Amino acid sequence: KQEVTQIPAALSVPEGENLVLNCSFTDSAIYNLQWFRQDPGKGLTSLLLIQSSQREQTSGRLNASLDKSSGRSTLYIAASQPGDSATYLCAVLSNDYKLSFGAGTTVTVRA
Amino acid sequence: NAGVTQTPKFRILKIGQSMTLQCTQDMNHNYMYWYRQDPGMGLKLIYYSVGAGITDKGEVPNGYNVSRSTTEDFPLRLELAAPSQTSVYFCASSDRGGGGYTFGSGTRLTVV
Repeated sequence: KQEVTQIPAALSVPEGENLVLNCSFTDSAIYNLQWFRQDPGKGLTSLLLIQSSQREQTSGRLNASLDKSSGRSTLYIAASQPGDSATYLCAVLSNDYKLSFGAGTTVTVRA
Repeated sequence: NAGVTQTPKFRILKIGQSMTLQCTQDMNHNYMYWYRQDPGMGLKLIYYSVGAGITDKGEVPNGYNVSRSTTEDFPLRLELAAPSQTSVYFCASSDRGGGGYTFGSGTRLTVV
């Protein structure tokens, strides 16, 4: 059974600081890994999708890396802004096409 | 471009009542999923479907049923609602097993 862990559970930083969010998974036989953003009381918004054959994906200030062999992914958010405050969820798609989620990292960016 | 639409957005049920959560997608995706999210927890898979007429259990299927008669619709049925089913329910779809996921906005269910 795939287990996905996100550390830290919560993070508070001043505006302008870079954010580093970690995700680890127990079974390296994955199809892809996806990072989502969730605002309070809202649904999930897809941020980045990394296929198992890829090492990283970038979108604007966001960069996600994937090390499948060690079971780790890292989401970097450069020059954080108050609008980046949200919960960030990591999800791993296993080869049986089941998507497993971590519990998330709640980010607060202080103005 | 509606994407994934879930109804209702909110619902309060009494213990023992039944209801159906509706999910519709207009992207012609084959794969559809139901998740529940409890406070402070990650999403847990209830049921999923890889195409019309095909469904399978996820991690927490007890107390729920699904059907998939069309590509577009994937309703989730709660029979004999219990307080433990108080949660936020999300429906999602994907165009293929390895594609990105699109989520609905969720249904917030309270069982009292």
